[in-house]
Amino acid sequence: GDSVTQMEGPVTLSEEAFLTINCTYTATGYPSLFWYVQYPGEGLQLLLKATKADDKGSNKGFEATYRKETTSFHLEKGSVQVSDSAVYFCALPGSARQLTFGSGTQLTVLP
Amino acid sequence: NAGVMQNPRHLVRRRGQEARLRCSPMKGHSHVYWYRQLPEEGLKFMVYLQKENIIDESGMPKERFSAEFPKEGPSILRIQQVVRGDSAAYFCASSPDSGTYNEQFFGPGTRLTVL
Repeated sequence: GDSVTQMEGPVTLSEEAFLTINCTYTATGYPSLFWYVQYPGEGLQLLLKATKADDKGSNKGFEATYRKETTSFHLEKGSVQVSDSAVYFCALPGSARQLTFGSGTQLTVLP
Repeated sequence: NAGVMQNPRHLVRRRGQEARLRCSPMKGHSHVYWYRQLPEEGLKFMVYLQKENIIDESGMPKERFSAEFPKEGPSILRIQQVVRGDSAAYFCASSPDSGTYNEQFFGPGTRLTVL
């Protein structure tokens, strides 16, 4: 079945450092891909999405490119801020509209 | 447009009691999904409902758990005879009928603690 493998965490960075969180997927066809973010004590918020191969999703300085050759959708940000501290989830939709999530990556950004 | 609403935000139950979690989807959304997040883990799909119908319950335990989404009112996730292993955050999401992205909008979650 469909699955998402996400980079193991936690990740701790200093402010203004470069961020990469790896995500690879296994799926039939070319589904949409998502990154969700969960701030402490809150629900998930959609961070960015890509609907087809080679699409680049971007939001709040974060980017991810849908690469079908490597079945990857890595999340990147050039300069992280303390306010980016959260848990990040890669996800893809299943055959019945449900989302399959990666295990999540805890990011802590230190001032 | 109010977002997805869940209540209660926190729920404490003793073993053997019943837990009822409520979810009101965003206005205009007729698709509701329930997910469970165990401590230190990702979200796992439980059940997908449309108004008055269960579409997919493949992720829901066969015993003690049930879900409904009546014609009027919120969706309810019901856990009977709770056990300590049911302690988790339960998230509800909704999506509209239209759109091609399968984008889901999440509520703030209900954190269930079983003593």
